[in-house]
Amino acid sequence: DVKVTQSSRYLVKRTGEKVFLECVQDMDHENMFWYRQDPGLGLRLIYFSYDVKMKEKGDIPEGYSVSREKKERFSLILESASTNQTSMYLCASSLDAVQGLYEQYFGPGTRLTVT
Amino acid sequence: SQKIEQNSEALNIQEGKTATLTCNYTNYSPAYLQWYRQDPGRGPVFLLLIRENEKEKRKERLKVTFDTTLKQSLFHITASQPADSATYLCALDREYGQNFVFGPGTRLSVLP
Repeated sequence: DVKVTQSSRYLVKRTGEKVFLECVQDMDHENMFWYRQDPGLGLRLIYFSYDVKMKEKGDIPEGYSVSREKKERFSLILESASTNQTSMYLCASSLDAVQGLYEQYFGPGTRLTVT
Repeated sequence: SQKIEQNSEALNIQEGKTATLTCNYTNYSPAYLQWYRQDPGRGPVFLLLIRENEKEKRKERLKVTFDTTLKQSLFHITASQPADSATYLCALDREYGQNFVFGPGTRLSVLP
């Protein structure tokens, strides 16, 4: 069974703090993704990575950065948290599409509140 | 501009009926389309994938159609049950299966 775990289910941070959200997958997947999900806006892609040390901007990368030092771990960093970054953050992973498998496996999500 | 729409935000149906959810898109040319289920407070779970050259795909009580001319996918749940109540998301491929964009979702409630 594929497992994607996220470091926290709930997180409360203050404006201006640096925030780290960690994601780990245990199935040797090449691709990893970070999304945020907000009511009325759906799931929006922040950053993704096709391989270790590689990263690609998604649709809303402003205010975020990522790190992928190991294949199984993909971190999302909020350099200086702001209240408009209050959201549900979801990590996902998938096998390389070259192998013909495209489904994404999602973690349980981290509900981040920035006050 | 690019847009993905899913029929209504919420859909209520009676147990035993067929639920039909719609995903319409503009200014995308997906090679693949996926459907996911999301329960409150949890991450989405993959249900089905359909390719642009496939008209229909089935899995147990689920059926998906994909019409690239109409730019529409229909997702059907037959003999619906209260346990099918959830939000259903469609996702369009943007990069040959590597990168998908999600629709806003439809919250389905199956009433006993």
